[in-house]
Amino acid sequence: GAVVSQHPSWVICKSGTSVKIECRSLDFQATTMFWYRQFPKQSLMLMATSNEGSKATYEQGVEKDKFLINHASLTLSTLTVTSAHPEDSSFYICSARSGLAGGGRTDTQYFGPGTRLTVL
Amino acid sequence: DQQVKQNSPSLSVQEGRISILNCDYTNSMFDYFLWYKKYPAEGPTFLISISSIKDKNEDGRFTVFLNKSAKHLSLHIVPSQPGDSAVYFCAASPQYNQGGKLIFGQGTELSVKP
Repeated sequence: GAVVSQHPSWVICKSGTSVKIECRSLDFQATTMFWYRQFPKQSLMLMATSNEGSKATYEQGVEKDKFLINHASLTLSTLTVTSAHPEDSSFYICSARSGLAGGGRTDTQYFGPGTRLTVL
Repeated sequence: DQQVKQNSPSLSVQEGRISILNCDYTNSMFDYFLWYKKYPAEGPTFLISISSIKDKNEDGRFTVFLNKSAKHLSLHIVPSQPGDSAVYFCAASPQYNQGGKLIFGQGTELSVKP
């Protein structure tokens, strides 16, 4: 259980184009999804928190107009990198957190396999 | 301001021996802690977690210890296996954070040598 998929696993695009990355929770409903990016040899940097049916909450320093997040359903969130530049090249990882029935708390996030974005 | 710190960027252990990965935190409001394992070019995999009401949680070869007074937690892997070689991240969640956001450490790269 608790499987999260990402698509595509890697993408190469030209500078100035937009790229969409999908994150799906396959066997559970994710009330909240998170988007991270990771540079080589560095930790996971949280970009934004995505709640189903509402606007995403972006971390300080992350441009919301550049990194568009849509959480259309309880199993799907998308990240669109708009007008991509070479400095946007990175490893993007999503995670999903399931809500517990009865209002219980769980802070375990389950991660997707990541998407390697290369902008030429 | 790094609220979760893993001061050892790397650790090398012989197969069969114990691996001890350490993590320190500064925020006393953290009450839930997790360890993740990550291979290159893959997403992190959840390993084990512990709530602040406990001081130990065990799952097979993996045991997490929490010392709240020292704001320190550690992950023990016994016995270590070559397949355990990966980057290990500790993460923490504050009790007031119902949004589920996790704060991650910088990671420790574990190398288990045959």
